[in-house]
Amino acid sequence: DAKTTQPTSMDCAEGRAANLPCNHSTISGNEYVYWYRQIHSQGPQYIIHGLKNNETNEMASLIITEDRKSSTLILPHATLRDTAVYYCIVRVARSGGYQKVTFGTGTKLQVIP
Amino acid sequence: DGGITQSPKYLFRKEGQNVTLSCEQNLNHDAMYWYRQDPGQGLRLIYYSQIVNDFQKGDIAEGYSVSREKKESFPLTVTSAQKNPTAFYLCATLYADTQYFGPGTRLTVL
Repeated sequence: DAKTTQPTSMDCAEGRAANLPCNHSTISGNEYVYWYRQIHSQGPQYIIHGLKNNETNEMASLIITEDRKSSTLILPHATLRDTAVYYCIVRVARSGGYQKVTFGTGTKLQVIP
Repeated sequence: DGGITQSPKYLFRKEGQNVTLSCEQNLNHDAMYWYRQDPGQGLRLIYYSQIVNDFQKGDIAEGYSVSREKKESFPLTVTSAQKNPTAFYLCATLYADTQYFGPGTRLTVL
């Protein structure tokens, strides 16, 4: 699986959009971009994933550049409960097969009142 | 209410004791995984199971054992052979190429 690079930490004002970048310049054509977050002392929470098109769900939007070498996770209206470590991972989808999730260091997002 | 439950949330164990961590899911997902997470570190795979009555060792299986007698349940036993068991343990399921995690159990060896 391709390696990802994320900023170590970011701050965001409550109510504003949080834009979390991720670089994955060695991504392969069959690799998806996944985002998870982990609030302190809780299990990781799946947020969203995509292959090449932009995706949106009730939690966030995922914008993937046309060359797929980077992406941005957008939380449209950050709240204090969004304070967490956000992990961007890139992995091949192996339908029905064994899969292992490996997190890097992630971005610690602090939402400020 | 569908989801993955892990119990207990906190567990304390004396050295030399075996302890079993529970993981239950009602999502009807076939595959289940166990990871451990140490402070400031990523996830390390202990065991996984793709179907009932079958499981495979992950990267750090020594000192751990599992069973998969029911689709809904995948308990993890931490044995006395595990030299450094204090960690945060996470159970996960896999569905449509996405892993979903439980809330975790924090094990502390006294």
